[in-house]
Amino acid sequence: GAGVSQSPRYKVAKRGQDVALRCDPISGHVSLFWYQQALGQGPEFLTYFQNEAQLDKSGLPSDRFFAERPEGSVSTLKIQRTQQEDSAVYLCATKPGRIAKNIQYFGAGTRLSVL
Amino acid sequence: QQPVQSPQAVILREGEDAVINCSSSKALYSVHWYRQKHGEAPVFLMILLKGGEQKGHEKISASFNEKKQQSSLYLTASQLSYSGTYFCGTERNGAGGTSYGKLTFGQGTILTVHP
Repeated sequence: GAGVSQSPRYKVAKRGQDVALRCDPISGHVSLFWYQQALGQGPEFLTYFQNEAQLDKSGLPSDRFFAERPEGSVSTLKIQRTQQEDSAVYLCATKPGRIAKNIQYFGAGTRLSVL
Repeated sequence: QQPVQSPQAVILREGEDAVINCSSSKALYSVHWYRQKHGEAPVFLMILLKGGEQKGHEKISASFNEKKQQSSLYLTASQLSYSGTYFCGTERNGAGGTSYGKLTFGQGTILTVHP
């Protein structure tokens, strides 16, 4: 596609439910990042993939958060047993290569509300 | 550690200029600037790399002082479309002086342009 696509755009979950958030990267982009953006704040790094390999998951806040990218393209961020503090916008960003010069292109995000 | 942006908010009339600053306490590999409108994806504006290389839009300029680990974004002759929240994202030096692209974002600067 022309840009990074994320789905769903909005997700309402009851506390304790599991959710799965999807990211479709720009075709051919090797690097993929997940960020969490709380209301009124800047995005915060969660995890990084290079192709199918998850090379950095240092930003995942707890073991309830899990991300995968099995074929090096589409990625899914899963949150188990959601809690109210998980409410945020989850942004996906991709870039062509693994070097820093590449621009990161962001999707519009999934807004998660946990009731 | 999160970079610090200033000011937190700016109000302009069309045609006026603005400067947004971003300061880090850590040695940086690069600084990225994004603009985000409500409910939309952050949009890339500018990347500044140590050593002086820059990539970005023609109508926006920025500087990066490597010694002070500070960057400034210069918006001239502002237009209504410039309104939004501006974020700087910083990359720290990694192994061998390179970085794979993990960004740490500031808290944002809200820019409002009035007719």
